[in-house]
Amino acid sequence: AQTVTQSQPEMSVQEAETVTLSCTYDTSESDYYLFWYKQPPSRQMILVIRQEAYKQQNATENRFSVNFQKAAKSFSLKISDSQLGDAAMYFCAYKGSVWGAGTKLIIKP
Amino acid sequence: NAGVTQTPKFRILKIGQSMTLQCTQDMNHNYMYWYRQDPGMGLKLIYYSVGAGITDKGEVPNGYNVSRSTTEDFPLRLELAAPSQTSVYFCASSYSGHTEAFFGQGTRLTVV
Repeated sequence: AQTVTQSQPEMSVQEAETVTLSCTYDTSESDYYLFWYKQPPSRQMILVIRQEAYKQQNATENRFSVNFQKAAKSFSLKISDSQLGDAAMYFCAYKGSVWGAGTKLIIKP
Repeated sequence: NAGVTQTPKFRILKIGQSMTLQCTQDMNHNYMYWYRQDPGMGLKLIYYSVGAGITDKGEVPNGYNVSRSTTEDFPLRLELAAPSQTSVYFCASSYSGHTEAFFGQGTRLTVV
């Protein structure tokens, strides 16, 4: 069975600095998709970034990028130039079916 | 654009009561999902559907039932509510299993 592990329950970063959130997963499949979602206090789930496993190039979306290491089964999220609006829970997901426990990101002004 | 609409937003049930959480999407998505999110946790998949007439169990299906008679609607039925079903429930849809999932606003359910 697939699993997703987020080992950082909480992270904090100074505004404008860079932070990396960790995610590891386990699967025996070779072709799959990984996602990072953001959940602000409003409870709404918002897609941050998506990575296709067969693509070696790391996905980027403006200030958000991933470090995808397929052999190591690692999928970390880097947020550059952190903004107050980035404060939220961040979830790593394997396809739509397996989710990590989340990392609470705190932005210090 | 409505996207994914869930009703109700809040509900309090007594132990043993039943209810149906409604979910509808207007994006013509094939895939629909029901998740529950317990406090401080990620999402756990209850049931999912890959198209009208097709449903399958997720990680935590016990105590729940679903149906998918149309592409748009995917109701979740709770029979004989128990305190362990106190949670926030999310419905989501996606075009395929590999594309972005769009989420409803969630339903906060309390069983007392």
